Amino acid sequence: DQQVKQNSPSLSVQEGRISILNCDYTNSMFDYFLWYKKYPAEGPTFLISISSIKDKNEDGRFTVFLNKSAKHLSLHIVPSQPGDSAVYFCAASAGTGGFKTIFGAGTRLFVKA
Amino acid sequence: GAGVSQSPSNKVTEKGKDVELRCDPISGHTALYWYRQSLGQGLEFLIYFQGNSAPDKSGLPSDRFSAERTGGSVSTLTIQRTQQEDSAVYLCASSLHRGQETQYFGPGTRLLVL
Repeated sequence: DQQVKQNSPSLSVQEGRISILNCDYTNSMFDYFLWYKKYPAEGPTFLISISSIKDKNEDGRFTVFLNKSAKHLSLHIVPSQPGDSAVYFCAASAGTGGFKTIFGAGTRLFVKA
Repeated sequence: GAGVSQSPSNKVTEKGKDVELRCDPISGHTALYWYRQSLGQGLEFLIYFQGNSAPDKSGLPSDRFSAERTGGSVSTLTIQRTQQEDSAVYLCASSLHRGQETQYFGPGTRLLVL
């Protein structure tokens, strides 16, 4: 049972354009969401997060949007740069009574120069 | 060191042998997590340690897998009688406290079972 789903295994975007990575979740108890970025042969690194009390969080070129009614979140990268090429993992956790962070399968982003 | 370290970085073993994977978390981090990533898959939660509390082992795939955390710091993940399907990247992460804290990941140990 995949509680966090990233249905697009890969995405290709031209440099300078917007990259939109999507994530769906099924557990309504999730109240904190994170995006991690992973380069080959390295561990994932934290990118941006959002609490369920918000619907948007922005950090430079990265913005995460949360639609609780649809149980959907997305990561927008604008403008995309070749160095953004990596695997992006969506993750979710339920703070109340739990800690466990559930990760999606990841989306590989290719930004073409 | 400033980050989470793991050793070995790569491990090749024969089916049926036991392996031990080590994780050194960031100093002062009370929470420690083990995940694995099989080829083409996402991060699969294995086990979680928080301070002196009993670990959450709910993600361990079989009783061949076990983990310890000594002195609230270093952790060892042991896989007994390895099988080919155990081949994966094993990732360790730590966070300051339990709960909704950013996790800091190590580079992983790439395990190949022949």
